[in-house]
Amino acid sequence: AQTVTQSQPEMSVQEAETVTLSCTYDTSENNYYLFWYKQPPSRQMILVIRQEAYKQQNATENRFSVNFQKAAKSFSLKISDSQLGDTAMYFCALIGANSKLTFGKGITLSVRP
Amino acid sequence: DVKVTQSSRYLVKRTGEKVFLECVQDMDHENMFWYRQDPGLGLRLIYFSYDVKMKEKGDIPEGYSVSREKKERFSLILESASTNQTSMYLCASMGDRGRKLFFGSGTQLSVL
Repeated sequence: AQTVTQSQPEMSVQEAETVTLSCTYDTSENNYYLFWYKQPPSRQMILVIRQEAYKQQNATENRFSVNFQKAAKSFSLKISDSQLGDTAMYFCALIGANSKLTFGKGITLSVRP
Repeated sequence: DVKVTQSSRYLVKRTGEKVFLECVQDMDHENMFWYRQDPGLGLRLIYFSYDVKMKEKGDIPEGYSVSREKKERFSLILESASTNQTSMYLCASMGDRGRKLFFGSGTQLSVL
């Protein structure tokens, strides 16, 4: 069975500062994908960033980057230059060859003006 | 852009009613999913389907069934709705390439 753990239920950051959201996972597969999804108050799930496990290079999307530590099974999200629009719930997720996508419990991020 | 459409944004049903939640995607994706989202519990997988007429149980299938007669449509069925099935239900689809999940806007179901 695969699991995804987000141990921090909520975080707060000052606008323009940097924040890191933690995620650990467990899977027996060698080939898998990891994701961070954002869910703003509108409830629409939005893909933030994706990492393929066989790629050593950390994925980056504008102000969002990940720190992927495969051996430690850790996948953290760094948000640089935080903006008010980043206020949302963030979910870490994993999918393996069986196409089953497993989510963590999520973390609520608040960006303070 | 991929579009995943859920038939209702809000739904109110009575205990014991049979409830159908419909989901349609327009990108010819092979894989479709039903999740429920509850505060503090994140998203939990109910069922998923990797092809027409194929289905797999997720982590919490009890009390639910699904139907996938056509590739673009994946239905979630509550045979006899109960109050503990009050939740936000999210449908998603994903192609075999790219492994990107696209979500519908969700259905907030209240069972009274």
